[in-house]
Amino acid sequence: GNSVTQMEGPVTLSEEAFLTINCTYTATGYPSLFWYVQYPGEGLQLLLKATKADDKGSNKGFEATYRKETTSFHLEKGSVQVSDSAVYFCALRVGAAGNKLTFGGGTRVLVKP
Amino acid sequence: EAEVAQSPRYKITEKSQAVAFWCDPISGHATLYWYRQILGQGPELLVQFQDESVVDDSQLPKDRFSAERLKGVDSTLKIQPAELGDSAMYLCASSFGRTSMNTEAFFGQGTRLTVV
Repeated sequence: GNSVTQMEGPVTLSEEAFLTINCTYTATGYPSLFWYVQYPGEGLQLLLKATKADDKGSNKGFEATYRKETTSFHLEKGSVQVSDSAVYFCALRVGAAGNKLTFGGGTRVLVKP
Repeated sequence: EAEVAQSPRYKITEKSQAVAFWCDPISGHATLYWYRQILGQGPELLVQFQDESVVDDSQLPKDRFSAERLKGVDSTLKIQPAELGDSAMYLCASSFGRTSMNTEAFFGQGTRLTVV
């Protein structure tokens, strides 16, 4: 089946620190990969995506590269801000599975001033 | 800016009562999803519609949950009777494409259900 594993949180950082959130996946088929962000009390917002191997998704200073050889899609940001405090979800989507999103368990990030 | 609308935002209900949630997807979006997100976990798909038809309801507890999208536009998710373990965030999402896996899914703000 399809599954996503991401590092458990919480991850606590100081402002301007480097952030990495690890994400690995297993999939039957060739998935598209996504990172979603969820702010307190809110729904999910798409942060970035990659649809094929070696693609790099980027948005708002965040980046993630689709690594087929390691089945990974790690999220990185070079200098975090307090406003980046949220829960981050890695997800995959496989066409053969009806295009539904399969999510990881989420990683809470707390950035302190 | 178009968005997925959900109501209510918060719902508290007693065990064994019935509860319903409503979702209005972005206009023109053929695919609609209902996800359940238990606190501290990632969302899990309950049911997926393409237009008015159910595409996937394999994870929907059909003894107590039902979902409909009668005219292929808005949708209602119902729980009857509610149990304590149903306490969660219920998220609705929609996407434009019918078959393309590259179309983005847009999420609503969710309905936070607490069963007491």
